[in-house]
Amino acid sequence: KNEVEQSPQNLTAQEGEFITINCSYSVGISALHWLQQHPGGGIVSLFMLSSGKKKHGRLIATINIQEKHSSLHITASHPRDSAVYICAVKIQGAQKLVFGQGTRLTINP
Amino acid sequence: EAQVTQNPRYLITVTGKKLTVTCSQNMNHEYMSWYRQDPGLGLRQIYYSMNVEVTDKGDVPEGYKVSRKEKRNFPLILESPSPNQTSLYFCASSPQAFTSSGNTIYFGEGSWLTVV
Repeated sequence: KNEVEQSPQNLTAQEGEFITINCSYSVGISALHWLQQHPGGGIVSLFMLSSGKKKHGRLIATINIQEKHSSLHITASHPRDSAVYICAVKIQGAQKLVFGQGTRLTINP
Repeated sequence: EAQVTQNPRYLITVTGKKLTVTCSQNMNHEYMSWYRQDPGLGLRQIYYSMNVEVTDKGDVPEGYKVSRKEKRNFPLILESPSPNQTSLYFCASSPQAFTSSGNTIYFGEGSWLTVV
């Protein structure tokens, strides 16, 4: 079993829909990152969380440390949000990130 | 502009021919790392460096070498590439090892490597 599990693996939605991507992990962590990978391959960091909630524009990320779960929400989704979204955790005591498999999001006009 | 630069972006090479993928960051970051991304396996760490002259193995270090002689550069060396090293490679940097608040990760654009 992977230490980091994302769901769903693939998600297709219509423009304007509210999107939720989930990330569950089975190890102790000191931080969790949400990343976005564009169709061309480049990766950008969206959020780093160690507790609570963060918001940036139409993106909201939450984390529940006790439940070992994080969610990424996209409000008023747009075709330009189509990308692969990757959850990554910084394991306590280890100097590395462990990545989920990614969620491929497609927003249709 | 803050950036991580990788070269080459695309390379087709033959088995056994040594190659180096360069990585350079302009943000004075202490932490740098290399990942490979393969279908169905996601991103996996190859090597990382906490600072100059400090490097350590990640999850899949076999067949790779790294060095960190200067803070800004962290090259990935494939001494004798094999077809199973065909992959998409990413270099990344961060002020420290991903833990402090505001420690954004910066990724390079990726290097598509094919070994035939």
